[in-house]
Amino acid sequence: EAGVTQFPSHSVIEKGQTVTLRCDPISGHDNLYWYRRVMGKEIKFLLHFVKESKQDESGMPNNRFLAERTGGTYSTLKVQPAELEDSGVYFCASSQDRRVQYFGPGTRLTVT
Amino acid sequence: AQSVSQHNHHVILSEAASLELGCNYSYGGTVNLFWYVQYPGQHLQLLLKYFSGDPLVKGIKGFEAEFIKSKFSFNLRKPSVQWSDTAEYFCAVNPSGTYKYIFGTGTRLKVLA
Repeated sequence: EAGVTQFPSHSVIEKGQTVTLRCDPISGHDNLYWYRRVMGKEIKFLLHFVKESKQDESGMPNNRFLAERTGGTYSTLKVQPAELEDSGVYFCASSQDRRVQYFGPGTRLTVT
Repeated sequence: AQSVSQHNHHVILSEAASLELGCNYSYGGTVNLFWYVQYPGQHLQLLLKYFSGDPLVKGIKGFEAEFIKSKFSFNLRKPSVQWSDTAEYFCAVNPSGTYKYIFGTGTRLKVLA
């Protein structure tokens, strides 16, 4: 069974540009989550999808971040325009239920 | 606000030494508790979990953790570490009624051969 995959693994962009991160969850997992880790800090929750619906987006930092999950399969997280403080590692996770979440390898975003 | 504290940010041990990593959380209700590990160059992997029942839980690779409700703690232990245990360890709490995890800041463990 394939795990959670994320693309790209690393992205370097300039301040003001747009970046789109993609996450493919484990097949059959209705729940999909985005988290972010800024260097040296804890991994922080951004939002939670159940199928294509946003269930909890309380962790989204501001309206420069837009997450979508069309069709209830893969998800994208767009940052537009990117700021320096958006740099960090963005993790995606998926789960069948409320219990165990399975994490992807993360996308390291560097905004210069 | 709900938070998770991992007091040890960096730990260096020699092989065969015993390990205990602390994790405390601030939340008064029912929680699910987890320890995840991230080996160098790899993704986060589940080490062990606690949902209910026996407060002493065993995970993979000889790790165990004890839930002490009165202390809001979920400390991770291993009697004898190996060089291959070098990794970053994360404690996570899932409060009841929510799906999200609240993570600690992580502990970087380095085991010297």
